[in-house]
Amino acid sequence: DVKVTQSSRYLVKRTGEKVFLECVQDMDHENMFWYRQDPGLGLRLIYFSYDVKMKEKGDIPEGYSVSREKKERFSLILESASTNQTSMYLCASSFDRGQPQHFGDGTRLSIL
Amino acid sequence: AQSVTQLDSQVPVFEEAPVELRCNYSSSVSVYLFWYVQYPNQGLQLLLKYLSGSTLVKGINGFEAEFNKSQTSFHLRKPSVHISDTAEYFCAVNPIKAAGNKLTFGGGTRVLVKP
Repeated sequence: DVKVTQSSRYLVKRTGEKVFLECVQDMDHENMFWYRQDPGLGLRLIYFSYDVKMKEKGDIPEGYSVSREKKERFSLILESASTNQTSMYLCASSFDRGQPQHFGDGTRLSIL
Repeated sequence: AQSVTQLDSQVPVFEEAPVELRCNYSSSVSVYLFWYVQYPNQGLQLLLKYLSGSTLVKGINGFEAEFNKSQTSFHLRKPSVHISDTAEYFCAVNPIKAAGNKLTFGGGTRVLVKP
């Protein structure tokens, strides 16, 4: 089974802090994704990566950055956390187009 | 660009009754279509996908969906639901020729199965 592991299930941080969310997959997938999930809005793509050291902006990249130094690991960085970034964050990975994305269990992030 | 509309945000249904969750999409290019389920406090799991071929697709847990190209719809159905089907369901599309396998999701439909 594909395993996508997010480093924390729950995280509480303060406004202005730099926050790192880590994601690791064990299936040698080329593509990795970060989404945020908010009630009524579904999942919105923040950033994705289709190869090591490659990244592409998604629909809502403002206030976020990403890092992919190794194929199995994709990190989401909140440069200076703000309260409107309180949300559920989901990481996913996949092979090529048409193949399903596999999701981690999510990190519920609260910014106080 | 693509957009996905799930017409019902919440669907209450009695146990053993049928359920249909509606999904419509808009896209200027051909797409692959997916349905995912999210149980409480978990990530998303794939229910089924349509890539090509027969427009009626069967998935896990007794779910099926029908792709209708002319109506740009991909509605999900189950003939008899169980309490364990209580979850949130997401419809998603992926442009066939786009790099990187990006998905665009609908807003989700929360299904509450009542005994």
